[in-house]
Amino acid sequence: KQEVTQIPAALSVPEGENLVLNCSFTDSAIYNLQWFRQDPGKGLTSLLLIQSSQREQTSGRLNASLDKSSGRSTLYIAASQPGDSATYLCAVSTSGSARQLTFGSGTQLTVLP
Amino acid sequence: DAEITQSPRHKITETGRQVTLACHQTWNHNNMFWYRQDLGHGLRLIHYSYGVHDTNKGEVSDGYSVSRSNTEDLPLTLESAASSQTSVYFCASSESGGSNEQFFGPGTRLTVL
Repeated sequence: KQEVTQIPAALSVPEGENLVLNCSFTDSAIYNLQWFRQDPGKGLTSLLLIQSSQREQTSGRLNASLDKSSGRSTLYIAASQPGDSATYLCAVSTSGSARQLTFGSGTQLTVLP
Repeated sequence: DAEITQSPRHKITETGRQVTLACHQTWNHNNMFWYRQDLGHGLRLIHYSYGVHDTNKGEVSDGYSVSRSNTEDLPLTLESAASSQTSVYFCASSESGGSNEQFFGPGTRLTVL
């Protein structure tokens, strides 16, 4: 059974810092990995999706990497802003049940002005 | 713009009552999913559907049912609501094949008294 872990559970940084959020998964036979953002009381917003054949994806100040063999992904946020404060969730879909997602518990990020 | 909507956004009900949560998407996606989000458990899959008249059980399906009579809608029914079903419920959809990126609705907060 796939298990997804995100460390740290919470992170607080001053505005302008570059930061890295971590995600690890136990079954390396994944179809893809998706990073989401969730604001308090809101739904999930898809940030980046990395296919199993890819090593990274970039969108603006966000860069996500994938190392399938070690079961790890990172989300890099450059020049953080207070508006980046949210919970970031990592989710993987495993080959064989390619369309179902298994989620980590998230990292709650606070960017201080 | 295509979107995914959920209704109601908030619901309070009593133990033993039947409750139906609606999910409607205009993406024309074949795949639809229901998740619940709880503190300490993250997001967990309840039921999913890969197309009209197709339904499948997820990790936490006991006490829930779904039916898919058209592409756009996947209602979630709690046959006899229990306090353990107090949670935030999210609906999601994705296209068949391709990237399998999932898009989420805004959620329904359900309280069972």
